[in-house]
Amino acid sequence: DTGVSQNPRHKITKRGQNVTFRCDPISEHNRLYWYRQTLGQGPEFLTYFQNEAQLEKSRLLSDRFSAERPKGSFSTLEIQRTEQGDSAMYLCASSYGQGADGYTFGSGTRLTVV
Amino acid sequence: GQQLNQSPQSMFIQEGEDVSMNCTSSSIFNTWLWYKQEPGEGPVLLIALYKAGELTSNGRLTAQFGITRKDSFLNISASIPSDVGIYFCAGQLWDYGGSQGNLIFGKGTKLSVKP
Repeated sequence: DTGVSQNPRHKITKRGQNVTFRCDPISEHNRLYWYRQTLGQGPEFLTYFQNEAQLEKSRLLSDRFSAERPKGSFSTLEIQRTEQGDSAMYLCASSYGQGADGYTFGSGTRLTVV
Repeated sequence: GQQLNQSPQSMFIQEGEDVSMNCTSSSIFNTWLWYKQEPGEGPVLLIALYKAGELTSNGRLTAQFGITRKDSFLNISASIPSDVGIYFCAGQLWDYGGSQGNLIFGKGTKLSVKP
């Protein structure tokens, strides 16, 4: 098991373009979370899946953001019509159930919108 | 979004010194966690605390879950250069009804260690 994998690690895009990130969780983990982290801040919760069902979305997740987890395995986070304020580190985490000690983060995708 | 109150914001210490940082919240949590994050990487779990009053150690790290369930502290003893990084506290509120279990983070404490 190689932990939580996120791709790409870095993405530079022009304002107005769409971007998609991928997260591959630890294989036996049924829960998958997306967080956003801006400079000087802690990660902030965006959304989470239990298996393939998206069960919670933060108010930070505007209608330009959409996340999917087909078949309850990998997940994608898409941002449409990117804005400069979307520049951040997007972190994915997975866990089995609610247990915090198995709550593992990926290395993140750094998005820069120019 | 909601964040916890974490202090201090940054620390510059000499190698060998002890470090203490803490986190407070206006809300109670079932679980307190402490993470370390290095540049360009995701947070890595250091210690998880599950019971009010619990004191847990992991090597040179010691953390406590406050009895009010609204605070926690982390101590690092005899700091070394590889302790450099940003330390985050996080609270988790969950119940057996299956709440989402997302984490609420502090803003972090940036630790610098002078050899």
